Amino acid sequence: KAGVTQTPRYLIKTRGQQVTLSCSPISGHRSVSWYQQTPGQGLQFLFEYFSETQRNKGNFPGRFSGRQFSNSRSEMNVSTLELGDSALYLCASSLEIGGYTFGSGTRLTVV
Amino acid sequence: GDSVTQMEGPVTLSEEAFLTINCTYTATGYPSLFWYVQYPGEGLQLLLKATKADDKGSNKGFEATYRKETTSFHLEKGSVQVSDSAVYFCALGGDGGATNKLIFGTGTLLAVQP
Repeated sequence: KAGVTQTPRYLIKTRGQQVTLSCSPISGHRSVSWYQQTPGQGLQFLFEYFSETQRNKGNFPGRFSGRQFSNSRSEMNVSTLELGDSALYLCASSLEIGGYTFGSGTRLTVV
Repeated sequence: GDSVTQMEGPVTLSEEAFLTINCTYTATGYPSLFWYVQYPGEGLQLLLKATKADDKGSNKGFEATYRKETTSFHLEKGSVQVSDSAVYFCALGGDGGATNKLIFGTGTLLAVQP
């Protein structure tokens, strides 16, 4: 079956712009989580959505937001981009607690 | 709060050597424990998991045992191959609560030389 699909794979944006990343979970998975990976901070939890509701949120500024649609697809948005937002953004989907499958990620570069 | 501590890398081994990557955790509740692997330019792949104390997770020759008494989940493999070269992450999560949040260690780079 198809895995977790993240689009786009690579993105270059300018400081101050905003960006939207997309994640399509495995069919039937209702939980979608987002993580930011940087060399300095490692893997950090951004937020989790379950059945269109945000169930948990990490310690990130309000510029980072997300949503989940009725078909479980999720988007995350970062507004007013900063250089420090350059990272690999990973999405994970799950059928139940503990069964996480990750996508290949979106590499965001802010210049 | 909950946290995961992994041994610093890089770990450099010759092919067929024995591998141990140490992982200890701090957690309230009864989390599940995971090892993920990341190859260059890719996302994370679940390597193995254990959901309760004394469980042993295993996959592709890798093993880890959930030790509640020492709060550890060390990753081991008896004979590594060049293809095992990657970054390995220990993680905890899914403590039975209504969340799928994972807390990761800093990752350990493994380099296996032929």
